[in-house]
Amino acid sequence: NAGVTQTPKFRVLKTGQSMTLLCAQDMNHEYMYWYRQDPGMGLRLIHYSVGEGTTAKGEVPDGYNVSRLKKQNFLLGLESAAPSQTSVYFCASSRPTGTDTQYFGPGTRLTVL
Amino acid sequence: QQQVKQSPQSLIVQKGGIPIINCAYENTAFDYFPWYQQFPGKGPALLIAIRPDVSEKKEGRFTISFNKSAKQFSLHIMDSQPGDSATYFCAASMESGYSTLTFGKGTMLLVSP
Repeated sequence: NAGVTQTPKFRVLKTGQSMTLLCAQDMNHEYMYWYRQDPGMGLRLIHYSVGEGTTAKGEVPDGYNVSRLKKQNFLLGLESAAPSQTSVYFCASSRPTGTDTQYFGPGTRLTVL
Repeated sequence: QQQVKQSPQSLIVQKGGIPIINCAYENTAFDYFPWYQQFPGKGPALLIAIRPDVSEKKEGRFTISFNKSAKQFSLHIMDSQPGDSATYFCAASMESGYSTLTFGKGTMLLVSP
């Protein structure tokens, strides 16, 4: 099993450009999450999904959109990238309770110039 | 609004020492307290977790101490090794409903040889 995979691993964007980060999991997990990690700020939840076709806002959702068209995939979109979105983005998945282990992907390092 | 406060931000100990990382939470509805370990360039991974019905949990060299009345919990690493050098995150969540993990800001631990 590959677990949680993220594409791409690295990306550099110019301000105003758009992109989509792809997360895929092969553990048949109901819940999926997108976090951003910034120095000294820990892991902050951007959006999450409790099932196919459903999404919800997390702590820092502004500037991001998500879609969960298939159970195994969770996409994070940046419509108009800003330098403040320079960060490392992590996707995670878990079984459907708030207390189950979250399995994280390897991360995507995004730089917005 | 930071619901889980973690300290210290960074910690350096010598091999064999016992680093202690502390966390405090505000929401008394939290009933699950995990610790995640993150090595450089990797995604976080669950290390150990505790529920408030016990005051201590040990797994190998890692121990969580939990004080429900003080709303505090801590991670102790016995006989620390250079391979324990990583960033540690405490977190909290609720088992009921669509609860998500609230993470502390992380502690960067360096164990010197």
